[in-house]
Amino acid sequence: GAGVSQSPSNKVTEKGKDVELRCDPISGHTALYWYRQSLGQGLEFLIYFQGNSAPDKSGLPSDRFSAERTGGSVSTLTIQRTQQEDSAVYLCASSIQGETQYFGPGTRLLVL
Amino acid sequence: DAKTTQPTSMDCAEGRAANLPCNHSTISGNEYVYWYRQIHSQGPQYIIHGLKNNETNEMASLIITEDRKSSTLILPHATLRDTAVYYCIVRVYSGAGSYQLTFGKGTKLSVIP
Repeated sequence: GAGVSQSPSNKVTEKGKDVELRCDPISGHTALYWYRQSLGQGLEFLIYFQGNSAPDKSGLPSDRFSAERTGGSVSTLTIQRTQQEDSAVYLCASSIQGETQYFGPGTRLLVL
Repeated sequence: DAKTTQPTSMDCAEGRAANLPCNHSTISGNEYVYWYRQIHSQGPQYIIHGLKNNETNEMASLIITEDRKSSTLILPHATLRDTAVYYCIVRVYSGAGSYQLTFGKGTKLSVIP
């Protein structure tokens, strides 16, 4: 079946611009996670959605970062006023609650 | 958090078994051990997971010691496509239904022709 998909695959933007990253989870998966991976580093948790519950935003690094999940399916991660330190691979994972997380291919963000 | 310790890198000859060790001495009784791998420029790929029994699937086998303080991932016949960074993760409950995964540095496995 179809896995987790993310778009765009790559995004180059100028410092100060806003970007939106999209994640389409596996159908039927109620849990959705966003992580980011900076060059040569491990994964950093950003935000977690579960069904209609309030999201766990504890990993968002600043108020420039926000995310939403519409209709319990597609999620969008928005970064406002991008900075060079935001350059990273942004990964989305989905799961049935409490079970194995499956990752998408990621979006490579480069802020110039 | 239960932390894991893995060797930084390993080599394996093509066609031979690759045995990747992981120490997780502070693991709690209800925490699962997960293995993922990441091939360059791709998202992490799930391999296998277990609680206390040994597990096998089409990709690999997972051997967990009886005291659960360490485990070994076995790729029975390594191919060049298995060259990747392998992550051993103890999955910890983060609250409110969330299980954040903490990836360390992993083991860079190089399969050599």
